[in-house]
Amino acid sequence: QKEVEQDPGPLSVPEGAIVSLNCTYSNSAFQYFMWYRQYSRKGPELLMYTYSSGNKEDGRFTAQVDKSSKYISLFIRDSQPSDSATYLCASGGGTASKLTFGTGTRLQVTL
Amino acid sequence: KAGVTQTPRYLIKTRGQQVTLSCSPISGHRSVSWYQQTPGQGLQFLFEYFSETQRNKGNFPGRFSGRQFSNSRSEMNVSTLELGDSALYLCASREGRTSNQPQHFGDGTRLSIL
Repeated sequence: QKEVEQDPGPLSVPEGAIVSLNCTYSNSAFQYFMWYRQYSRKGPELLMYTYSSGNKEDGRFTAQVDKSSKYISLFIRDSQPSDSATYLCASGGGTASKLTFGTGTRLQVTL
Repeated sequence: KAGVTQTPRYLIKTRGQQVTLSCSPISGHRSVSWYQQTPGQGLQFLFEYFSETQRNKGNFPGRFSGRQFSNSRSEMNVSTLELGDSALYLCASREGRTSNQPQHFGDGTRLSIL
């Protein structure tokens, strides 16, 4: 079992929809949670960073962490075609300095 | 501030050859990590360097190696290339080496093995 699990999609939504992207993790030592966005032929770009449980909002994006259920979510409001990309969740913490990534969810926002 | 720079962007090699990839981190960042990204496996951690020392290593064979220079620039080497080494190799940097600091990625080197 991978330490971070993510549904690969693809997920197709119409423009303006609310998108929910999710990950689960198994390592109780994880304390830091990140979401990256990756466009085709580009490297991952940091979108959101959260520590421990709770919500964090940045514009149309909201990151949510529930440590009790080991569940990580990213919500995108008023989705745009420019949001079409692969979204990667990542977690870290404990004694390890490395980040562990999910496999990514491909999102397509259609006109 | 310039981002993480990786060179070259694309490489084509044949089986048995070796290859060296280069990464220049964001100015002031001392930690450099390398990842292999493939469609089936996602991002897999190769290794992390901090202050010219390898601090962490993933589950890859010894054919994969790296080093870091005093200016924090890093190189990754793969010897005796195999078809399965075809992937996007990503470099990421951060200021320190604690996991509470997010990593910032370059655009990667696309390696194709014929």
